Amino acid sequence: KQEVTQIPAALSVPEGENLVLNCSFTDSAIYNLQWFRQDPGKGLTSLLLIQSSQREQTSGRLNASLDKSSGRSTLYIAASQPGDSATYLCAATQGGSEKLVFGKGTKLTVNP
Amino acid sequence: GAVVSQHPSRVICKSGTSVKIECRSLDFQATTMFWYRQFPKQSLMLMATSNEGSKATYEQGVEKDKFLINHASLTLSTLTVTSAHPEDSSFYICSADRSGGAETQYFGPGTRLLVL
Repeated sequence: KQEVTQIPAALSVPEGENLVLNCSFTDSAIYNLQWFRQDPGKGLTSLLLIQSSQREQTSGRLNASLDKSSGRSTLYIAASQPGDSATYLCAATQGGSEKLVFGKGTKLTVNP
Repeated sequence: GAVVSQHPSRVICKSGTSVKIECRSLDFQATTMFWYRQFPKQSLMLMATSNEGSKATYEQGVEKDKFLINHASLTLSTLTVTSAHPEDSSFYICSADRSGGAETQYFGPGTRLLVL
């Protein structure tokens, strides 16, 4: 059974700093891994999706990497801004299914 | 882009009543929809997988008679929380799968349920 862990649970940084969020998963037989953003009381915004055959994906200031062999993914945010403050969720597919298993998220606060 | 809506966005009900939540794919057809539940400071937990025209598949520990799911069309799935109790208070989020692969799951904005 797939389990997804995110570290740290919370992170506070000054504006402009580069930062890395970590995600680990137990079952490497994934279709893909996704990173989402969730603002308080809101739904999910998809940020990046990495297929199992890929090693990284980039969108603007965001870069996500995937290392299936070690069961790890990272989300790199460059030049952080206060508007980046949110909870970031990592989700991996479970085994040979399309079901997504979510981590508990990392709550990011970017201070002006 | 693909848009998924949920209605209502927020509902408050008395204990013992039933509440229906709708999930709609607005600009695409979804053969599969997923229902998730998120308790405060917890991750999203998959409750069930809803397939158009067939019975939903529930995850272990989710009572199918309490959480009734209907996926009558390719653009609409409904989740009915029957005889709701305070412990059912949670954030319910649906997602719609456009082409059968996880890469095309699009998430709704969620429904906040508070049972008094």
